[in-house]
Amino acid sequence: AQTVTQSQPEMSVQEAETVTLSCTYDTSESDYYLFWYKQPPSRQMILVIRQEAYKQQNATENRFSVNFQKAAKSFSLKISDSQLGDAAMYFCAYRSGLGGGDKIIFGKGTRLHILP
Amino acid sequence: DTAVSQTPKYLVTQMGNDKSIKCEQNLGHDTMYWYKQDSKKFLKIMFSYNNKELIINETVPNRFSPKSPDKAHLNLHINSLELGDSAVYFCASSRRTSVAGELFFGEGSRLTVL
Repeated sequence: AQTVTQSQPEMSVQEAETVTLSCTYDTSESDYYLFWYKQPPSRQMILVIRQEAYKQQNATENRFSVNFQKAAKSFSLKISDSQLGDAAMYFCAYRSGLGGGDKIIFGKGTRLHILP
Repeated sequence: DTAVSQTPKYLVTQMGNDKSIKCEQNLGHDTMYWYKQDSKKFLKIMFSYNNKELIINETVPNRFSPKSPDKAHLNLHINSLELGDSAVYFCASSRRTSVAGELFFGEGSRLTVL
């Protein structure tokens, strides 16, 4: 069974600085998808970024980018120029690519604090 | 227009009661889910339906019964509520045939059992 591990329960970063959130996963599959979701205090789950495992190029969405290391099964999220609105829980998630895999598995989350 | 909407957003009830949470999506997705988020923020899948057919049924007590009258709706009924059922329940949807099949979430329903 696949697992997703986020080893940092909490992190803090100064406003305007860069922070990297870690995520590792365990799978025997070669085809899969990875996601980062953000959950601000409002509780809404928001997709931040996604990565297809077959793509070597790291995904980027504005200030958010990932470092996808397939061999190491690592999928870290880098937030550049941190803003107060980035304060939230961040969840790493995995989805199997086999047969359109319907289960998305989440890590336990990292709470990110932004210091003004 | 809200893409995935759940009602109610908050629910406070006594142990032993029966309650339902409703979910509707207007994204045209074919797959819908229920996730449970506990007090430690851990998100765990409970059920998934594809075109009204149950495709994922995790280890969830029989007191939880999902119902999908059509592919745009997925409701969750809980019988004989227990203290441990207190959590935030998220409905989500996805399109099976999309590239990554990412989830679109509702705002969550916070259930408190007293």
